[in-house]
Amino acid sequence: GAVVSQHPSWVICKSGTSVKIECRSLDFQATTMFWYRQFPKQSLMLMATSNEGSKATYEQGVEKDKFLINHASLTLSTLTVTSAHPEDSSFYICSARARSTGNTIYFGEGSWLTVV
Amino acid sequence: GNSVTQMEGPVTLSEEAFLTINCTYTATGYPSLFWYVQYPGEGLQLLLKATKADDKGSNKGFEATYRKETTSFHLEKGSVQVSDSAVYFCALLDPLRDYKLSFGAGTTVTVRA
Repeated sequence: GAVVSQHPSWVICKSGTSVKIECRSLDFQATTMFWYRQFPKQSLMLMATSNEGSKATYEQGVEKDKFLINHASLTLSTLTVTSAHPEDSSFYICSARARSTGNTIYFGEGSWLTVV
Repeated sequence: GNSVTQMEGPVTLSEEAFLTINCTYTATGYPSLFWYVQYPGEGLQLLLKATKADDKGSNKGFEATYRKETTSFHLEKGSVQVSDSAVYFCALLDPLRDYKLSFGAGTTVTVRA
């Protein structure tokens, strides 16, 4: 099946700094990418939807200025957590949809963010 | 709007037992349905899918049938293994809603040897 890769898998950063997480579709062109946040033992919470070449669409309650999303190419989307705080510590997962795979969405391996 | 209701866990089974995880949905259109599996500390992997009524998705011994009349997509496996221990998510995708996935709460399954 299609492969979506996230990097880094683990990151620890200091409070007040920014951290960038990359999401790449390795063997297909992703027309749409999605970013989720998952708290321990909970389901996934959709943060935003990004289409290549256009601004991301954020879900209600998600701060656009805090979680910057860029989808600069058909194979890469990035999530930047700006001025991170301990409460931003979480598991962030991206997913991607390709025209060639129809309605199937493929997920990355996830990125653990710990803010200290 | 769209929503997915999934059987609450946790579920604990012995090896070779039969597993069923119930999933029902509400949707305004004609959604596609999915089961994803998440192993500890990892992202989600697509387990199986069905795109229209009466379709049966199957993979690794797991099966689920898209039942429009009961708006259900229950996951079943006839004989579970310890390696099946994971969290299972039922999900719905509505193409009319920007291809956003609606997830169930997830069901934690633990299989004991």
